[in-house]
Amino acid sequence: DSGVTQTPKHLITATGQRVTLRCSPRSGDLSVYWYQQSLDQGLQFLIQYYNGEERAKGNILERFSAQQFPDLHSELNLSSLELGDSALYFCASSLKEGSPLHFGNGTRLTVT
Amino acid sequence: EDQVTQSPEALRLQEGESSSLNCSYTVSGLRGLFWYRQDPGKGPEFLFTLYSAGEEKEKERLKATLTKKESFLHITAPKPEDSATYLCAVQGTGRRALTFGSGTRLQVQP
Repeated sequence: DSGVTQTPKHLITATGQRVTLRCSPRSGDLSVYWYQQSLDQGLQFLIQYYNGEERAKGNILERFSAQQFPDLHSELNLSSLELGDSALYFCASSLKEGSPLHFGNGTRLTVT
Repeated sequence: EDQVTQSPEALRLQEGESSSLNCSYTVSGLRGLFWYRQDPGKGPEFLFTLYSAGEEKEKERLKATLTKKESFLHITAPKPEDSATYLCAVQGTGRRALTFGSGTRLQVQP
C-alpha cells in the first residue's frame, strides 16, 4: 500500500460530460502529480502541484484542470469528455522534488 | 526533451532463468533514474532510485545498475510472482516530473 488514495476506482460517463477525480497524498507529502496512462501512450505527465500551488504542466489539455486544497488533497477535473479521454488516471505524491513518486491505484475512466 | 526507451517490450522467462531489462535514456542532466513495477490494474510500485553512473541497488532478486546512457534491471532466478510490467523513468535537471518509458512486460512461467 503506497498510502496514496484515489477515488473513484471506476468511472463510466458519456461524451460531453464532466467528471472529477480525487486524490489524497501520502501523509507528509506536499507534492501531487497527475498522470494519464493509455494503452498506446504509456504514462503521460499532466500536472504537478506543490503545497497548493501549480508547479509544472505537461501534456494537459485545456479541457482538463486541477487544484490542490489546503489539506493537500487534489482534484483533477475533466470536461467536455471525448472517447479518446478513456484511460487510467494516476495520482502520485512525493516528499520533495527528486524523491521517488508514490502512486495510487488509479481511476479507470471510460467515456462512451 | 527527456526520452526513455525500454527493451524488450515483452519477455518470457522460465522460472530460474536469469535475464536483464534495458532502459536507455536521454536527458540534459540526470537528476535521478527510477525503476517501478506495475501489476495489472494497479499503480506503479517504486523499486529503486539511481543518481549517478556506477551506482547499483539491490532488492531480493532484482539489481539495478546505471551508466551515463542506460540502466539495466537484472533479474536473478526469477519466480512467477516477479511477473509484471517494469517501468523506467528519468528526471532531468530542471524538470519537476518523471518521464516514463513504455515498459517491459515480464512473464515468468513455472
